[in-house]
Amino acid sequence: GQNIDQPTEMTATEGAIVQINCTYQTSGFNGLFWYQQHAGEAPTFLSYNVLDGLEEKGRFSSFLSRSKGYSYLLLKELQMKDSASYLCAVMDSNYQLIWGAGTKLIIKP
Amino acid sequence: IAGITQAPTSQILAAGRRMTLRCTQDMRHNAMYWYRQDLGLGLRLIHYSNTAGTTGKGEVPDGYSVSRANTDDFPLTLASAVPSQTSVYFCASSESGGDTGELFFGEGSRLTVL
Repeated sequence: GQNIDQPTEMTATEGAIVQINCTYQTSGFNGLFWYQQHAGEAPTFLSYNVLDGLEEKGRFSSFLSRSKGYSYLLLKELQMKDSASYLCAVMDSNYQLIWGAGTKLIIKP
Repeated sequence: IAGITQAPTSQILAAGRRMTLRCTQDMRHNAMYWYRQDLGLGLRLIHYSNTAGTTGKGEVPDGYSVSRANTDDFPLTLASAVPSQTSVYFCASSESGGDTGELFFGEGSRLTVL
């Protein structure tokens, strides 16, 4: 079966750095997405990786290793507004998105 | 800029009743999707439409139906609601189906079936 694994919850301190990991086992691979979802709101797009390596976008970076079935989202200079759930999703060979359950990130002052 | 509009935002429904969740987008996206989100689970695809006039089944289609009469509207119907359909429902769109473009989500419809 297809599976996306990510930690259920993480806690970090304002101003610090946090890395949210995602491992996947899917039927084929056509890219990996990260979305941010604040409580009670809709998910919003953060990043897309299809090639190995690091993609940087401001305070957020996303890394992909296709051979290891692994990605991480790196958040720097954490702000209170970064408290949210972070969803990892992989597009399989049929171009269907397989979603992880999300990682709830709690930022403490 | 509206993007995707869902209605209602919240609804309590008696089991056995019929319910339609509305979804409208103004971005002229070809592909539209309905997901349900339950605590501890990832988003699960119910139905999708790659273009107006076509629909397809997702991972959890049973008990739900959709139609895509035009580009903008993609309603989701529960013919006879059951308590297991209690969930938050998200409508989403992308420029085209089967590509790697980002999804744009509506604000969600919270449905409780008693």
